Amino acid sequence: EVQLVMSGGGLVQPGGSLRLSCGGSGSTFSRFWTTWVRQAPGKGLEWVATIKYDGREAWYVDSVKGRFTIARDTAENSVHLEMNSLRVEDTAVYFCARVGLFYDFGGYPHDVLDMWGQGTSVTVSS
Amino acid sequence: IQMTQSPSSLSASVGDRVSITCRASQTIDNHVNWYQHIPGRAPILLIKAGSTLQTGVPSRFSGSGSGTQFTLTIRGVQPEDFATYYCQQSYRTPHIFGQGTKLEI
Repeated sequence: EVQLVMSGGGLVQPGGSLRLSCGGSGSTFSRFWTTWVRQAPGKGLEWVATIKYDGREAWYVDSVKGRFTIARDTAENSVHLEMNSLRVEDTAVYFCARVGLFYDFGGYPHDVLDMWGQGTSVTVSS
Repeated sequence: IQMTQSPSSLSASVGDRVSITCRASQTIDNHVNWYQHIPGRAPILLIKAGSTLQTGVPSRFSGSGSGTQFTLTIRGVQPEDFATYYCQQSYRTPHIFGQGTKLEI
């Protein structure tokens, strides 16, 4: 069930830039970490980046470090993925997802991707 | 932490029982989630913390395992279950996915 709204994406030449956005409503989104996941054509799901709820810390897959930036806009209640120096291999459908927190029977916390955007296509081609 | 998922594809008939396995490269307790993905749709969380069924997911789905070996089982496959399934470790960032298992008719 899609509950996050995504925008951005499209066709861009190698070396170009794109900005993806992911928005949620109220506390559904603002108190949670957010993750970006992508699926290249014919490939599986790949974790791309995650940002803390307050935007103060982020992590990236090695292949996008230095090129992609994940950022949180608290005023807009949204998370953006700025993609620069795009490569053909960045072509994929990109999803944003809320990182929910689940406590198991032992009381231990678990990160789960419990709410997803509808996906947006990014094509890098000349 | 790497996740090795098997098989990469699986053929089944409606009503069959199928199992998918994920092996972690190091012990991760029960920090594994399972997702279902149908092309053109957003992925869906099925199982969290190794064995807890996500709210709204049919009870024919179940998860088991801890440490390094984890299993997703579907008892009585239904037509809407033909999709690709992924495990994901949530023990340590980055939360890597397994390679996926495509369940086909």
